[in-house]
Amino acid sequence: GAVVSQHPSRVICKSGTSVKIECRSLDFQATTMFWYRQFPKQSLMLMATSNEGSKATYEQGVEKDKFLINHASLTLSTLTVTSAHPEDSSFYICSAKPRGAHNEQFFGPGTRLTVL
Amino acid sequence: KNEVEQSPQNLTAQEGEFITINCSYSVGISALHWLQQHPGGGIVSLFMLSSGKKKHGRLIATINIQEKHSSLHITASHPRDSAVYICAVRWRSGGSNYKLTFGKGTLLTVNP
Repeated sequence: GAVVSQHPSRVICKSGTSVKIECRSLDFQATTMFWYRQFPKQSLMLMATSNEGSKATYEQGVEKDKFLINHASLTLSTLTVTSAHPEDSSFYICSAKPRGAHNEQFFGPGTRLTVL
Repeated sequence: KNEVEQSPQNLTAQEGEFITINCSYSVGISALHWLQQHPGGGIVSLFMLSSGKKKHGRLIATINIQEKHSSLHITASHPRDSAVYICAVRWRSGGSNYKLTFGKGTLLTVNP
């Protein structure tokens, strides 16, 4: 089956530092990847849509200069949280849409970010 | 505004019981997903539906396009089924936009 991995699974960083999270599709090519954020006891909120080889499309209210997304290959997208603050502490999840698929998406296991 | 509503918000059951979780949405969709999220946080995709019914093990998902409603059923529930179940839809009006809109989730607790 289609597998999406994320790395790291957990990260703790100091306020002001930058953190990079990787999302990889392990056994398929993903033309589109999605980045979500989930705060405790809330549902997933889409942050941005990432298409391979082009700029990401950010949802309203998401700062593109703070959350840098790179989708340089068909199997890898990265989310970099720049100058992290405690309010950025959250659970970040990616999903990937296989090339040619119309509705399928496969979700990664998530990354727990804690900013001290 | 396009919305996805789930019910119930919380559900507690005894082991062995038949479980039903409901999802309603406001306008036409291309696809509906049922997802499972365990306390550790990772999300597992259970089903993707655009019509009819799907079954996998003890899980059954149905969708009624005319009524804009889907149900997730769990037969012979087990404590390991305890998780948050999330309904997510891709709106038909989205065109080539594949993004999903999520319900708030149903927290299921199955007691032994």
